[in-house]
Amino acid sequence: EDQVTQSPEALRLQEGESSSLNCSYTVSGLRGLFWYRQDPGKGPEFLFTLYSAGEEKEKERLKATLTKKESFLHITAPKPEDSATYLCAVHGSGSARQLTFGSGTQLTVLP
Amino acid sequence: GAVVSQHPSRVICKSGTSVKIECRSLDFQATTMFWYRQFPKQSLMLMATSNEGSKATYEQGVEKDKFLINHASLTLSTLTVTSAHPEDSSFYICSASKTSGSTDTQYFGPGTRLTVL
Repeated sequence: EDQVTQSPEALRLQEGESSSLNCSYTVSGLRGLFWYRQDPGKGPEFLFTLYSAGEEKEKERLKATLTKKESFLHITAPKPEDSATYLCAVHGSGSARQLTFGSGTQLTVLP
Repeated sequence: GAVVSQHPSRVICKSGTSVKIECRSLDFQATTMFWYRQFPKQSLMLMATSNEGSKATYEQGVEKDKFLINHASLTLSTLTVTSAHPEDSSFYICSASKTSGSTDTQYFGPGTRLTVL
């Protein structure tokens, strides 16, 4: 059974204070690891897909990295508008097209 | 792009009535769509997988007669909550799977807030 654990549950940063969110996973045959951003009262917004260890992807102040056991979402010099819940999900080879989600990290960036 | 819409965004209904929620992929075709439910401060809970032209696959514990799913075309799936009760009040989110090469990526709709009085 695929499992995803995200840490920390909540993170408060000052504007400009860089940090990282962690996503640890166990999966039988990783087909993709996904990062989403979710704002309150809205559906998740797709950010990145990572496929293999060593892969990195960037978008504005966000950079996602992947190892064989975990993924990190690095946030560089965050702004208050980066405040959201960040969700990690994996698609394993044992799942038709289903994702297994972590519980998310609620990020608050203070001005 | 990959845009998914949901309608309505909010609905309030009386106990015992049925509510239909539509999920549309606007700029791509989706053989597979998913329906999730989300409680406050919790992550998404998969309810069912909807495949175009066939019966939906429901997760354990989800009543298929209560949550009717229809995927009539490659751009539309509907979720009908039948005989709704207050405990069905929740945030319902759909996603549509877009295939690019060998990868499927789920793109989510904006969600529907259901309140049953």
